[in-house]
Amino acid sequence: AQSVTQLDSQVPVFEEAPVELRCNYSSSVSVYLFWYVQYPNQGLQLLLKYLSGSTLVKGINGFEAEFNKSQTSFHLRKPSVHISDTAEYFCAVSDGATNKLIFGTGTLLAVQP
Amino acid sequence: AAGVIQSPRHLIKEKRETATLKCYPIPRHDTVYWYQQGPGQDPQFLISFYEKMQSDKGSIPDRFSAQQFSDYHSELNMSSLELGDSALYFCASSGRLAGGIMYEQFFGPGTRLTVL
Repeated sequence: AQSVTQLDSQVPVFEEAPVELRCNYSSSVSVYLFWYVQYPNQGLQLLLKYLSGSTLVKGINGFEAEFNKSQTSFHLRKPSVHISDTAEYFCAVSDGATNKLIFGTGTLLAVQP
Repeated sequence: AAGVIQSPRHLIKEKRETATLKCYPIPRHDTVYWYQQGPGQDPQFLISFYEKMQSDKGSIPDRFSAQQFSDYHSELNMSSLELGDSALYFCASSGRLAGGIMYEQFFGPGTRLTVL
């Protein structure tokens, strides 16, 4: 069975500061990893994904993530955040077979001026 | 670009009533997924369909049923509604390009169901 752990339920950060949102996964098979963002009262938007290849993945809005197989992590980073980045961020995993997504519990990124 | 369409966007029902949620996937996408997101919760996988056949089943109550039609749209039918069914229901779709599998799921805006 697969699972995703997002240890930080909320991450407060000042505008223009760097941020890292942590994600760890467990799986007995090869996985595909995703980060989704959810703005208030909106749907889920894909930020970036890791399927194979380079372990450093760049996504939209200046976000990037690094797949670390030995540490089973897929942490999301941004070097300088904006107020508009305030949202809920979900890490998710799928096995590529049924393709269903297993989500973490989410991290609220709260950017303060 | 066309996106996943869900209707209705908001739905209010009484306990023990029934509800039908509709999902129209992105054109040429052959797989549809349904997720339920309770208040302050992460999305939970309910069920998926590939080429009109059920491909996987998650934590979907027996009171719920779903299907995918010949035009690839999908409907989630919910009966004997309970207060705990109040949630955001997302539909997502994925497809295949040039014979390959597209693992990325594109999500619709969701249907907010409120059960009173």
